[in-house]
Amino acid sequence: GAVVSQHPSWVICKSGTSVKIECRSLDFQATTMFWYRQFPKQSLMLMATSNEGSKATYEQGVEKDKFLINHASLTLSTLTVTSAHPEDSSFYICSARDTEWGANEQFFGPGTRLTVL
Amino acid sequence: GQNIDQPTEMTATEGAIVQINCTYQTSGFNGLFWYQQHAGEAPTFLSYNVLDGLEEKGRFSSFLSRSKGYSYLLLKELQMKDSASYLCAVRDRTRRGGSYIPTFGRGTSLIVHP
Repeated sequence: GAVVSQHPSWVICKSGTSVKIECRSLDFQATTMFWYRQFPKQSLMLMATSNEGSKATYEQGVEKDKFLINHASLTLSTLTVTSAHPEDSSFYICSARDTEWGANEQFFGPGTRLTVL
Repeated sequence: GQNIDQPTEMTATEGAIVQINCTYQTSGFNGLFWYQQHAGEAPTFLSYNVLDGLEEKGRFSSFLSRSKGYSYLLLKELQMKDSASYLCAVRDRTRRGGSYIPTFGRGTSLIVHP
């Protein structure tokens, strides 16, 4: 199956700093990538849909100025958490659709554990 | 939107069979997924159902009844490594922002003991 990577796998930062998370599709081109957030024992909550070459589509309640998404190429999307606060501590997971596989499957990255002190 | 309901936690014995149920309410059903997620890891795809019936794939099978808004994931010959969270996700063609994007349930934590 298709492979999606994320970097870093974990990060600890001080409150007020910004953190960038990268999501890459390694063996396929992804015109669309998704960013999810998951709190302990909770479900995956979609934050935004990232489209290559255009603005991201944010879900209701997600601050687009706080969670900056850039999808500059067909294999890379980045999520920047600006001015992070402890309540932003969570597990951030990206996924991508490989359109050659059709619309039935998303491939998930391994996730990034963010801890804001 | 969708309301997706699945049990929070289940326990089972190694070698046994377990059935994890998922019920949903959606205005434009367009497919149901099951994912497995081990603690601290990303979900991995298990199955996809869009028509009624049973889909079998090795030790795992998934069933769908669209009229009842109901699905189950059946795990046979349980192994210790099957201890994980199992996520039911439903796609809705009327969803604003993308009908191909599934909404995830809270997941069922399965504990397999010897």
